[in-house]
Amino acid sequence: KAGVTQTPRYLIKTRGQQVTLSCSPISGHRSVSWYQQTPGQGLQFLFEYFSETQRNKGNFPGRFSGRQFSNSRSEMNVSTLELGDSALYLCASSSTSGGETQYFGPGTRLLVL
Amino acid sequence: AQSVAQPEDQVNVAEGNPLTVKCTYSVSGNPYLFWYVQYPNRGLQFLLKYITGDNLVKGSYGFEAEFNKSQTSFHLKKPSALVSDSALYFCAVRVRNSGNTPLVFGKGTRLSVIA
Repeated sequence: KAGVTQTPRYLIKTRGQQVTLSCSPISGHRSVSWYQQTPGQGLQFLFEYFSETQRNKGNFPGRFSGRQFSNSRSEMNVSTLELGDSALYLCASSSTSGGETQYFGPGTRLLVL
Repeated sequence: AQSVAQPEDQVNVAEGNPLTVKCTYSVSGNPYLFWYVQYPNRGLQFLLKYITGDNLVKGSYGFEAEFNKSQTSFHLKKPSALVSDSALYFCAVRVRNSGNTPLVFGKGTRLSVIA
């Protein structure tokens, strides 16, 4: 099976712009989670979607949003970008939730100038 | 609230020696526990997980971890380290039977295996 794919891999934006990142889960997986990874804060949970419904949301401002489509592909959007949004954004998929293993994509590295 | 502590930012070990990367957790309830590894400019790779059953869990690349409920620990071990094991290691926890709580990660431990 193909792994989790994320596009684009690298992105450079300027403050105030918005960005959309995409994640395609492993075939058959219905749960998609998003994480932000920075050197200072480590891995922080953004949100989790299961069958197009947001199951959980981390402690991020409303500028961060996401959605999941009927084919389980997911997108996350960050509006009004700030310098502090520069990070590696990781997507992970699993077949369900709970104890199921989450498999990660390679990430999208976002640089905000 | 659930949390994970990885008390060492950096672990250095000589090639061929055993390695241990420490992890302790705190959850309200029974945990699912995971170890992941991250190589430079890559996503996280799954190594192993504890769900229930045997306290000693064997995973990929010769790694294993021991679940210790009384000490709330889940240390990662390998009998003989390789230079290629050098990477960033993350421990993670999720509350069992609680589909609405996220996977929570530790800060990570950088392992350096010296030839």
